[in-house]
Amino acid sequence: AQRVTQPEKLLSVFKGAPVELKCNYSYSGSPELFWYVQYSRQRLQLLLRHISRESIKGFTADLNKGETSFHLKKPFAQEEDSAMYYCALKGYSSASKIIFGSGTRLSIRP
Amino acid sequence: NAGVTQTPKFQVLKTGQSMTLQCAQDMNHNSMYWYRQDPGMGLRLIYYSASEGTTDKGEVPNGYNVSRLNKREFSLRLESAAPSQTSVYFCASSVASGLDQPQHFGDGTRLSIL
Repeated sequence: AQRVTQPEKLLSVFKGAPVELKCNYSYSGSPELFWYVQYSRQRLQLLLRHISRESIKGFTADLNKGETSFHLKKPFAQEEDSAMYYCALKGYSSASKIIFGSGTRLSIRP
Repeated sequence: NAGVTQTPKFQVLKTGQSMTLQCAQDMNHNSMYWYRQDPGMGLRLIYYSASEGTTDKGEVPNGYNVSRLNKREFSLRLESAAPSQTSVYFCASSVASGLDQPQHFGDGTRLSIL
């Protein structure tokens, strides 16, 4: 069965420190992985997807099929990174539904 | 552009009452989705519409109906509200036809069933 696990409900780091938001998945096949973000008083939005291999707002995420993980990383946290982050998975089948993790609240301390 | 607009933002219902949540997008997107979010859980797909004129069940469709009125609008109806449907509801859209990852979300509707 498809499952996305974000083990940390809350992650608090100091400004300038590295950030790693963990995401582990369970899927029998090759999934597509995504990170979504919701800043305070803003709408949920797509942050990045693994197939794009892009860096958005300094964040990157590498799909590790061996460890079935898709951790979100940023080398130097900024206060504006404080938000709720959701990892999501979708199978490659056109009929595959997207599954969201329960989310991690990232708090950046000044 | 407003993006995805949901109404209402808040609603309190009594058990057994019915109501319709409205959603409209102005981006000419083909696919639209309804999700619910409960405390400590990720978003769960209720229904989706992969293109105008089509609707399909998601992960948790029981107790809901949907209508894709036209390309812009996708409404969610609770015929007989139950306390288990207390949740935050999000509408979303994506440009591609088919079951795609949602790209744009509305602000959400916080619904309480007493």
